[in-house]
Amino acid sequence: DQQVKQNSPSLSVQEGRISILNCDYTNSMFDYFLWYKKYPAEGPTFLISISSIKDKNEDGRFTVFLNKSAKHLSLHIVPSQPGDSAVYFCAATTSYDKVIFGPGTSLSVIP
Amino acid sequence: DAMVIQNPRYQVTQFGKPVTLSCSQTLNHNVMYWYQQKSSQAPKLLFHYYDKDFNNEADTPDNFQSRRPNTSFCFLDIRSPGLGDAAMYLCATSRDSGSNEQFFGPGTRLTVL
Repeated sequence: DQQVKQNSPSLSVQEGRISILNCDYTNSMFDYFLWYKKYPAEGPTFLISISSIKDKNEDGRFTVFLNKSAKHLSLHIVPSQPGDSAVYFCAATTSYDKVIFGPGTSLSVIP
Repeated sequence: DAMVIQNPRYQVTQFGKPVTLSCSQTLNHNVMYWYQQKSSQAPKLLFHYYDKDFNNEADTPDNFQSRRPNTSFCFLDIRSPGLGDAAMYLCATSRDSGSNEQFFGPGTRLTVL
């Protein structure tokens, strides 16, 4: 039973355009959400997070939006760059509990 | 640079032959985690240690065990690897549990022949 879902296994975007990666969750107790980025042959690295008390968090080209009523969050990358090509994992947790990861979305940014 | 190191990066073992994967960290973090990740699937938590307190996930097979002899090192032992245990094994650390970001090592790719 997947508590964190990323229904798009892959996404291709032109360089300079916006990339939107989506994530849905089922557990209404989750109160903290994270995005990780993974390059081949490397471990995931933390990208950006958001607390459930917010609906938006921005860090440079990366913005995460949270819609609690829909149990949905999205990661926006603007503008997309070829170096952003990676697998992006959505993750969720309740405070002081384990982190649940989604299966990832592979983003390809085409020059 | 502070980091999480996993050795070896690639491990080949035979069906039923015990194998140990290692992880070390220079971040001085309290929590260490072992994840199993199969192709195109979410990383699945096997164990975590908060300091020396060991936490076993309910669905982690008995075939898997872990040791954390000190703050810096953590080991994953697979007693009798089966073909279904072939996967990427990721070690991660965090300063505390829950919302704190986790720092991952590069992973060990396990092949079972």
